[in-house]
Amino acid sequence: DSGVTQTPKHLITATGQRVTLRCSPRSGDLSVYWYQQSLDQGLQFLIQYYNGEERAKGNILERFSAQQFPDLHSELNLSSLELGDSALYFCASSGDSLGELFFGEGSRLTVL
Amino acid sequence: AQSVTQPDIHITVSEGASLELRCNYSYGATPYLFWYVQSPGQGLQLLLKYFSGDTLVQGIKGFEAEFKRSQSSFNLRKPSVHWSDAAEYFCAVGARKGYSTLTFGKGTMLLVSP
Repeated sequence: DSGVTQTPKHLITATGQRVTLRCSPRSGDLSVYWYQQSLDQGLQFLIQYYNGEERAKGNILERFSAQQFPDLHSELNLSSLELGDSALYFCASSGDSLGELFFGEGSRLTVL
Repeated sequence: AQSVTQPDIHITVSEGASLELRCNYSYGATPYLFWYVQSPGQGLQLLLKYFSGDTLVQGIKGFEAEFKRSQSSFNLRKPSVHWSDAAEYFCAVGARKGYSTLTFGKGTMLLVSP
């Protein structure tokens, strides 16, 4: 158990819809990262937050947004969903500056 | 920009045989290097990491990796593979700065035959 909790574990929705994925980092970790894992693209970095502030942005679509709340949990919002958004979305957290990430078990999104 | 190449998409190894998974990275300086393992339906678990010092690093589950600066490589090894090692393995690189993001390779799926 990494200590990172993601909900929901599975989500099935239709094209055009909007979903929210939630992540609770390890206790005390200030930094949260979101990654998308798909068969063709592998693990792609989406966005990072540190203590409530956006710190780095990767290959995140404009239809996607995220935030980190004062209690340090984070949410990833995916809107106007397309079939190609079907993937496993991972949240990870980090508590020090040496780069080791602790991953949750992921949220599997299926868009029909 | 940093990048990671794992040239082998799949590798099949007999149980008890040795294993080496290849990883090459591209980065302007010496990075932080990691190996993660992902079992089916699970998140990624850290196997080992290299920050500095001894270029041969030991990890969990009997794995080790060697950092070779001249070859920009960080190959993962295990002397004797167990059936429970079947999983997908990811090499990752991070910049030497606080709270940097990690760039992952596309992974190598390890299959273990009896």
